[in-house]
Amino acid sequence: DAKTTQPPSMDCAEGRAANLPCNHSTISGNEYVYWYRQIHSQGPQYIIHGLKNNETNEMASLIITEDRKSSTLILPHATLRDTAVYYCIVRPVTQGGSEKLVFGKGTKLTVNP
Amino acid sequence: KAGVTQTPRYLIKTRGQQVTLSCSPISGHRSVSWYQQTPGQGLQFLFEYFSETQRNKGNFPGRFSGRQFSNSRSEMNVSTLELGDSALYLCASSPRQGAARGGELFFGEGSRLTVL
Repeated sequence: DAKTTQPPSMDCAEGRAANLPCNHSTISGNEYVYWYRQIHSQGPQYIIHGLKNNETNEMASLIITEDRKSSTLILPHATLRDTAVYYCIVRPVTQGGSEKLVFGKGTKLTVNP
Repeated sequence: KAGVTQTPRYLIKTRGQQVTLSCSPISGHRSVSWYQQTPGQGLQFLFEYFSETQRNKGNFPGRFSGRQFSNSRSEMNVSTLELGDSALYLCASSPRQGAARGGELFFGEGSRLTVL
């Protein structure tokens, strides 16, 4: 699996957009970018994933650069409940029938009132 | 739909004992994975099952084992517990196995094991 690099921590004001960066400079053409988050004492939660195009769902937007070497997860209006560790994961489109995810250290996002 | 259910949520064991953790996936999900989370190592993949067969295994000693039943429920067992096995053990289920749009896992809240 391609490695990802994320800042260890970020702060954001409540109500503002939170932009979480991720570098994945060794990503291959057949690898997706996934984002999960883990709120304290809970299991990780799937947020969004994408291959080439930008993606948006009810939780967030994912912006992937044209060269696919980096991406940004955007929480448009962060709330206190968005305080969590956010994981950026690169995973092959298919990987021999496995659903395995390789988690890094993630970014600890703190949303401040 | 009920989420992934893990039992027990908390347990305390002593070194040398063994422990069995249980996971009930979301109804209709046939793929179950297990992860260990510790402050030092983060989230690490243990193993995954699909249709009662182990499909992938992480880099853990043989003391860690698992199985999946015909109803997709899964158990993992750790024998001869060591202090370092203290961790949050997370189970995740998925409706499809290795599909192109796979990778969307639904996690339970975990079983927190403390080994004294």
